[in-house]
Amino acid sequence: AQSVTQLGSHVSVSEGALVLLRCNYSSSVPPYLFWYVQYPNQGLQLLLKYTTGATLVKGINGFEAEFKKSETSFHLTKPSAHMSDAAEYFCAVIPNAGKSTFGDGTTLTVKP
Amino acid sequence: DTGVSQDPRHKITKRGQNVTFRCDPISEHNRLYWYRQTLGQGPEFLTYFQNEAQLEKSRLLSDRFSAERPKGSFSTLEIQRTEQGDSAMYLCASSPGLAGGGGTDTQYFGPGTRLTVL
Repeated sequence: AQSVTQLGSHVSVSEGALVLLRCNYSSSVPPYLFWYVQYPNQGLQLLLKYTTGATLVKGINGFEAEFKKSETSFHLTKPSAHMSDAAEYFCAVIPNAGKSTFGDGTTLTVKP
Repeated sequence: DTGVSQDPRHKITKRGQNVTFRCDPISEHNRLYWYRQTLGQGPEFLTYFQNEAQLEKSRLLSDRFSAERPKGSFSTLEIQRTEQGDSAMYLCASSPGLAGGGGTDTQYFGPGTRLTVL
């Protein structure tokens, strides 16, 4: 069984500030962890993924995430927020095949 | 653009009617997934196909829901006797289905079909 918890359904930051979106997971097998972004009325776009190897993963648009097994976390960060980052972000545990589990999402608001 | 496409993008129907959605995956992607997303929640897995074989179905997929992928290419999702609770965004995703790919089999999502049941 697997589950994903995203702490904070809404996060608001000022433009230029650090973005931190939290994700904790549980998985009975080694996890494959993903972050997706969704803009209004659109599908999900892959930001980054962790499968094996280096625990710090870099993605598109300046985002990165660190896999911490001891904390069962996969938090998403960006050093400096941009207005265009405003969107909904989803953390997911996705096996090689079969049932994927997504968190409920975090809406990021960027204030000018 | 060779991404995942879904048709229609929006569907408004009356309760009790049947609806059918279509998904065209990225060319040569072996796996195809259907999800349902309601407001304020993440996508919920419904079912997935490996080529034309439907390999897993969620308990969310009641008897009124059926999905097909007859030739291992496009897929359809049909909802019979729609209910107001079926109102949601229905997302399709495809992935290469790499043999032994582990977690590298990344899913690529379409824009979704938004269903409103009146």
